[in-house]
Amino acid sequence: AQTVTQSQPEMSVQEAETVTLSCTYDTSESDYYLFWYKQPPSRQMILVIRQEAYKQQNATENRFSVNFQKAAKSFSLKISDSQLGDAAMYFCAYRVPNTGNQFYFGTGTSLTVIP
Amino acid sequence: GAVVSQHPSRVICKSGTSVKIECRSLDFQATTMFWYRQFPKQSLMLMATSNEGSKATYEQGVEKDKFLINHASLTLSTLTVTSAHPEDSSFYICSARGQGSPLHFGNGTRLTVT
Repeated sequence: AQTVTQSQPEMSVQEAETVTLSCTYDTSESDYYLFWYKQPPSRQMILVIRQEAYKQQNATENRFSVNFQKAAKSFSLKISDSQLGDAAMYFCAYRVPNTGNQFYFGTGTSLTVIP
Repeated sequence: GAVVSQHPSRVICKSGTSVKIECRSLDFQATTMFWYRQFPKQSLMLMATSNEGSKATYEQGVEKDKFLINHASLTLSTLTVTSAHPEDSSFYICSARGQGSPLHFGNGTRLTVT
């Protein structure tokens, strides 16, 4: 069974500082996708970044980057130069292609940005 | 970019009545749509997966007769909560993806059953 674990229910970061959110997953698949979604108070799910498992290079999207460690099944999100608008729930998610395309979400990390 | 519209955003209904939630893909054909339920401060729990023109696949523990899902066209899926009870009060989110496209989420529906 695929599981996604986020061990940090809450995190806080000072504005302009850097914070890392952790995520681990369990799978026997070799080909899959990993995602980080942001859910602000509006509850809209917003895609932050995605990583294909076959790519060794870590994905980067402006101030957001990941540290993908396939052997360790770890997929952490680093937010640099944190901004007040980054405050939200962050969900790590996993998907195996061509198997119903189901997403499996972690339990989420609530990020607070301190001005 | 692609957008998924979910309606209504909020609904209050009386216990015993039925409520329908719509999920529309606005500028792409959604071959697969997913319905999630989210309790306060918790993660998204997949309820069911629907493919256009076929019956939805429900996750274990989700009552298919209570949560009716219809995916009659490539741009519309509906979730009907039948004979709603207060414990059905929750936040429901749909998501959709087309062939080779990423997943897009609706804005969610806050259901309150009184």
